[in-house]
Amino acid sequence: DSGVTQTPKHLITATGQRVTLRCSPRSGDLSVYWYQQSLDQGLQFLIQYYNGEERAKGNILERFSAQQFPDLHSELNLSSLELGDSALYFCASSEQGTVGTDTQYFGPGTRLTVL
Amino acid sequence: GDSVTQMEGPVTLSEEAFLTINCTYTATGYPSLFWYVQYPGEGLQLLLKATKADDKGSNKGFEATYRKETTSFHLEKGSVQVSDSAVYFCALIRISGTYKYIFGTGTRLKVLA
Repeated sequence: DSGVTQTPKHLITATGQRVTLRCSPRSGDLSVYWYQQSLDQGLQFLIQYYNGEERAKGNILERFSAQQFPDLHSELNLSSLELGDSALYFCASSEQGTVGTDTQYFGPGTRLTVL
Repeated sequence: GDSVTQMEGPVTLSEEAFLTINCTYTATGYPSLFWYVQYPGEGLQLLLKATKADDKGSNKGFEATYRKETTSFHLEKGSVQVSDSAVYFCALIRISGTYKYIFGTGTRLKVLA
């Protein structure tokens, strides 16, 4: 158990809908990262927040957005969902968010299925 | 652009065999290199890392050396166990200029008793 929690574990929704995925980092960690893992694209980094501020941006679509709240939990919002958004979404956290050296601890993931 | 290339799997070995999973990278600047492991139904776990050339990362019997001259970070283990069966990801984090987190496609390892 990494100490990172993600809810829900599974989510099934329809095309065009909007969903929110939630992540609680390990106690004391200031940085949160979001990743998408799919069969065709592999594991892709989406975005990183550090202490409420966006720190780094990866291959995140404009239909997707994220934020980190004062209590350090984070939410990933996915809107206008398409079939291709079906994937496993991982959240990770790290102590400081020092790029390149901080160890990231991954949550168990949220499996999103878009029908 | 930056990229990570891993050998395709699955890699199937007998218990106690020697393991090598190849990883090469392309990056500008001086990236940090990582190996992550993903067990079935779980998230990724950091296995080892190296932050500069010639650094050797090691953990749980696994080793990898950051070779700048060959742009490689091959994962090795002298004697695998059935419990090592998992998917292994090589990753690069570039820390100069804009931040980049790049993962390889993953290599599935199956160890047979």
